[in-house]
Amino acid sequence: SQQGEEDPQALSIQEGENATMNCSYKTSINNLQWYRQNSGRGLVHLILIRSNEREKHSGRLRVTLDTSKKSSSLLITASRAADTASYFCATDAKGSSNTGKLIFGQGTTLQVKP
Amino acid sequence: DAMVIQNPRYQVTQFGKPVTLSCSQTLNHNVMYWYQQKSSQAPKLLFHYYDKDFNNEADTPDNFQSRRPNTSFCFLDIRSPGLGDAAMYLCATSRIRGGSTEAFFGQGTRLTVV
Repeated sequence: SQQGEEDPQALSIQEGENATMNCSYKTSINNLQWYRQNSGRGLVHLILIRSNEREKHSGRLRVTLDTSKKSSSLLITASRAADTASYFCATDAKGSSNTGKLIFGQGTTLQVKP
Repeated sequence: DAMVIQNPRYQVTQFGKPVTLSCSQTLNHNVMYWYQQKSSQAPKLLFHYYDKDFNNEADTPDNFQSRRPNTSFCFLDIRSPGLGDAAMYLCATSRIRGGSTEAFFGQGTRLTVV
Protein backbone atom coordinates (compact mmCIF):
# COMPACT_ATOMS: atom_id res chain seq x y z
CA SER A 1 0.00 0.00 0.00
CA GLN A 2 1.23 3.42 -0.83
CA GLN A 3 1.87 6.05 1.78
CA GLY A 4 1.96 9.78 1.29
CA GLU A 5 0.11 11.23 -1.64
CA GLU A 6 0.80 14.94 -1.95
CA ASP A 7 -0.86 17.91 -3.50
CA PRO A 8 -0.35 20.11 -5.28
CA GLN A 9 2.23 18.46 -7.50
CA ALA A 10 3.62 21.87 -8.41
CA LEU A 11 3.30 25.27 -6.81
CA SER A 12 4.58 28.61 -8.05
CA ILE A 13 4.44 31.69 -5.84
CA GLN A 14 6.07 35.07 -5.42
CA GLU A 15 8.72 35.73 -2.84
CA GLY A 16 7.13 36.76 0.44
CA GLU A 17 3.99 34.71 -0.06
CA ASN A 18 3.12 31.63 1.97
CA ALA A 19 3.27 28.15 0.48
CA THR A 20 1.07 25.29 1.65
CA MET A 21 1.58 21.68 0.69
CA ASN A 22 -0.58 18.75 1.68
CA CYS A 23 0.09 15.09 2.22
CA SER A 24 -2.29 12.18 2.72
CA TYR A 25 -1.47 8.64 3.78
CA LYS A 26 -3.30 5.37 4.10
CA THR A 27 -2.13 3.43 7.15
CA SER A 28 -1.63 4.28 10.81
CA ILE A 29 1.71 5.85 11.48
CA ASN A 30 4.22 6.47 14.25
CA ASN A 31 5.20 9.83 12.88
CA LEU A 32 5.23 11.90 9.72
CA GLN A 33 8.22 13.77 8.41
CA TRP A 34 8.84 16.42 5.79
CA TYR A 35 11.94 16.54 3.64
CA ARG A 36 13.32 18.98 1.14
CA GLN A 37 15.26 18.12 -2.00
CA ASN A 38 17.16 20.54 -4.16
CA SER A 39 17.46 19.52 -7.78
CA GLY A 40 19.80 16.58 -8.25
CA ARG A 41 20.72 16.33 -4.57
CA GLY A 42 19.89 14.19 -1.59
CA LEU A 43 16.99 14.85 0.73
CA VAL A 44 17.28 16.95 3.85
CA HIS A 45 15.10 16.40 6.89
CA LEU A 46 13.00 19.44 7.82
CA ILE A 47 10.63 18.50 10.59
CA LEU A 48 9.02 15.50 12.28
CA ILE A 49 5.61 15.38 13.87
CA ARG A 50 4.54 12.47 16.04
CA SER A 51 1.17 10.80 15.72
CA ASN A 52 0.05 12.24 19.07
CA GLU A 53 0.92 15.80 18.03
CA ARG A 54 -1.35 18.12 16.07
CA GLU A 55 0.91 21.00 15.19
CA LYS A 56 4.60 21.78 15.21
CA HIS A 57 6.68 24.81 14.33
CA SER A 58 10.27 25.23 13.26
CA GLY A 59 11.33 28.69 12.14
CA ARG A 60 9.23 29.55 9.09
CA LEU A 61 7.81 26.04 8.91
CA ARG A 62 4.51 24.98 10.38
CA VAL A 63 3.31 21.40 10.16
CA THR A 64 -0.10 20.09 11.08
CA LEU A 65 -1.23 16.51 11.42
CA ASP A 66 -4.79 15.19 11.39
CA THR A 67 -4.67 11.48 12.11
CA SER A 68 -8.45 11.14 11.75
CA LYS A 69 -8.15 12.31 8.14
CA LYS A 70 -4.72 10.76 7.67
CA SER A 71 -3.36 14.02 6.35
CA SER A 72 -0.69 16.58 7.04
CA SER A 73 0.16 20.02 5.75
CA LEU A 74 3.41 21.94 5.53
CA LEU A 75 3.24 25.71 5.55
CA ILE A 76 6.25 27.80 4.63
CA THR A 77 5.71 31.40 5.60
CA ALA A 78 7.33 34.45 4.00
CA SER A 79 8.86 32.33 1.24
CA ARG A 80 12.23 33.12 -0.27
CA ALA A 81 13.72 32.26 -3.65
CA ALA A 82 16.05 29.87 -1.79
CA ASP A 83 13.00 27.82 -0.75
CA THR A 84 12.67 26.65 -4.35
CA ALA A 85 12.91 22.86 -4.12
CA SER A 86 10.84 19.70 -4.01
CA TYR A 87 9.17 18.83 -0.73
CA PHE A 88 8.26 15.30 0.29
CA CYS A 89 6.37 13.85 3.19
CA ALA A 90 7.43 10.49 4.58
CA THR A 91 5.76 8.09 6.95
CA ASP A 92 6.69 5.01 8.90
CA ALA A 93 3.86 2.57 9.35
CA LYS A 94 2.65 1.80 12.83
CA GLY A 95 1.93 -1.74 13.90
CA SER A 96 4.85 -3.38 12.17
CA SER A 97 7.91 -4.57 14.01
CA ASN A 98 9.19 -1.03 13.54
CA THR A 99 12.06 -1.91 11.29
CA GLY A 100 12.47 1.72 10.36
CA LYS A 101 10.73 1.41 7.02
CA LEU A 102 10.22 4.91 5.62
CA ILE A 103 7.97 5.58 2.63
CA PHE A 104 7.84 8.84 0.70
CA GLY A 105 4.93 10.62 -0.92
CA GLN A 106 4.97 11.95 -4.47
CA GLY A 107 6.21 15.39 -3.53
CA THR A 108 5.40 18.99 -4.33
CA THR A 109 7.72 21.04 -6.50
CA LEU A 110 7.82 24.60 -5.19
CA GLN A 111 9.06 27.51 -7.24
CA VAL A 112 9.47 30.84 -5.49
CA LYS A 113 9.90 33.72 -7.91
CA PRO A 114 12.05 36.67 -6.82
CA ASP B 1 31.48 17.00 7.56
CA ALA B 2 29.88 14.46 5.28
CA MET B 3 27.96 11.89 7.31
CA VAL B 4 26.48 9.70 4.58
CA ILE B 5 28.80 9.33 1.65
CA GLN B 6 27.89 7.81 -1.67
CA ASN B 7 30.38 6.88 -4.32
CA PRO B 8 30.55 7.60 -7.09
CA ARG B 9 28.32 10.65 -7.64
CA TYR B 10 27.90 9.71 -11.29
CA GLN B 11 28.15 6.22 -12.71
CA VAL B 12 27.85 5.17 -16.34
CA THR B 13 27.46 1.49 -17.02
CA GLN B 14 26.77 -0.62 -20.06
CA PHE B 15 23.51 -2.41 -20.59
CA GLY B 16 23.75 -5.76 -18.84
CA LYS B 17 27.07 -5.08 -17.14
CA PRO B 18 26.98 -5.55 -13.36
CA VAL B 19 27.49 -2.40 -11.35
CA THR B 20 27.93 -1.72 -7.64
CA LEU B 21 27.10 1.49 -5.84
CA SER B 22 28.51 2.15 -2.41
CA CYS B 23 27.42 4.01 0.68
CA SER B 24 29.23 4.67 3.93
CA GLN B 25 28.18 6.44 7.10
CA THR B 26 29.94 7.97 10.08
CA LEU B 27 26.79 8.24 12.20
CA ASN B 28 26.79 4.69 13.58
CA HIS B 29 23.12 4.41 12.66
CA ASN B 30 21.60 0.96 12.76
CA VAL B 31 19.26 1.41 9.79
CA MET B 32 20.44 1.89 6.22
CA TYR B 33 18.18 2.39 3.20
CA TRP B 34 18.48 2.28 -0.56
CA TYR B 35 16.02 4.31 -2.60
CA GLN B 36 15.61 4.62 -6.34
CA GLN B 37 14.44 7.98 -7.63
CA LYS B 38 13.51 8.66 -11.22
CA SER B 39 13.03 12.10 -12.66
CA SER B 40 10.22 14.10 -11.02
CA GLN B 41 9.20 11.12 -8.90
CA ALA B 42 9.33 10.26 -5.24
CA PRO B 43 12.15 8.16 -3.83
CA LYS B 44 11.07 4.53 -4.03
CA LEU B 45 12.30 2.23 -1.27
CA LEU B 46 14.17 -0.77 -2.67
CA PHE B 47 15.27 -2.34 0.62
CA HIS B 48 16.62 -1.48 4.02
CA TYR B 49 18.64 -3.01 6.81
CA TYR B 50 17.71 -2.86 10.45
CA ASP B 51 21.06 -3.83 11.94
CA LYS B 52 21.86 -7.01 10.03
CA ASP B 53 18.24 -7.81 9.22
CA PHE B 54 17.55 -7.33 5.55
CA ASN B 55 14.10 -6.07 4.49
CA ASN B 56 13.30 -6.35 0.82
CA GLU B 57 10.34 -4.54 -0.70
CA ALA B 58 7.93 -6.87 -2.47
CA ASP B 59 8.19 -4.99 -5.77
CA THR B 60 11.98 -4.66 -5.84
CA PRO B 61 13.24 -6.57 -8.89
CA ASP B 62 15.52 -9.55 -8.33
CA ASN B 63 18.06 -7.68 -10.43
CA PHE B 64 18.78 -5.55 -7.36
CA GLN B 65 20.78 -6.97 -4.48
CA SER B 66 22.34 -5.45 -1.41
CA ARG B 67 25.11 -6.18 1.03
CA ARG B 68 25.88 -4.69 4.41
CA PRO B 69 29.21 -6.13 5.57
CA ASN B 70 29.32 -3.93 8.68
CA THR B 71 27.49 -1.03 10.33
CA SER B 72 29.26 1.61 8.27
CA PHE B 73 28.99 0.29 4.75
CA CYS B 74 26.19 -0.76 2.45
CA PHE B 75 26.30 -1.72 -1.22
CA LEU B 76 23.73 -1.83 -3.97
CA ASP B 77 24.45 -4.38 -6.70
CA ILE B 78 22.60 -4.26 -9.97
CA ARG B 79 23.31 -7.56 -11.65
CA SER B 80 22.18 -6.77 -15.19
CA PRO B 81 21.28 -3.11 -15.57
CA GLY B 82 18.61 -2.26 -18.09
CA LEU B 83 17.78 1.10 -19.58
CA GLY B 84 14.89 1.35 -17.13
CA ASP B 85 17.30 1.23 -14.20
CA ALA B 86 18.75 4.61 -15.04
CA ALA B 87 17.93 6.75 -12.03
CA MET B 88 19.28 8.49 -8.98
CA TYR B 89 20.08 6.03 -6.21
CA LEU B 90 19.88 7.44 -2.72
CA CYS B 91 21.35 5.92 0.40
CA ALA B 92 20.06 6.99 3.78
CA THR B 93 20.56 6.07 7.42
CA SER B 94 18.57 6.44 10.59
CA ARG B 95 18.75 5.42 14.22
CA ILE B 96 15.51 4.15 15.61
CA ARG B 97 14.97 6.16 18.77
CA GLY B 98 11.67 6.39 20.52
CA GLY B 99 9.88 5.45 17.34
CA SER B 100 11.56 8.23 15.38
CA THR B 101 13.06 7.43 12.01
CA GLU B 102 14.61 10.73 10.95
CA ALA B 103 16.73 9.83 7.96
CA PHE B 104 20.01 11.29 6.80
CA PHE B 105 20.67 11.10 3.07
CA GLY B 106 23.75 10.97 0.96
CA GLN B 107 24.06 13.08 -2.16
CA GLY B 108 23.05 10.20 -4.36
CA THR B 109 24.58 8.35 -7.28
CA ARG B 110 23.15 9.13 -10.68
CA LEU B 111 23.29 5.99 -12.78
CA THR B 112 23.28 6.15 -16.56
CA VAL B 113 22.87 2.95 -18.58
CA VAL B 114 24.18 3.02 -22.15
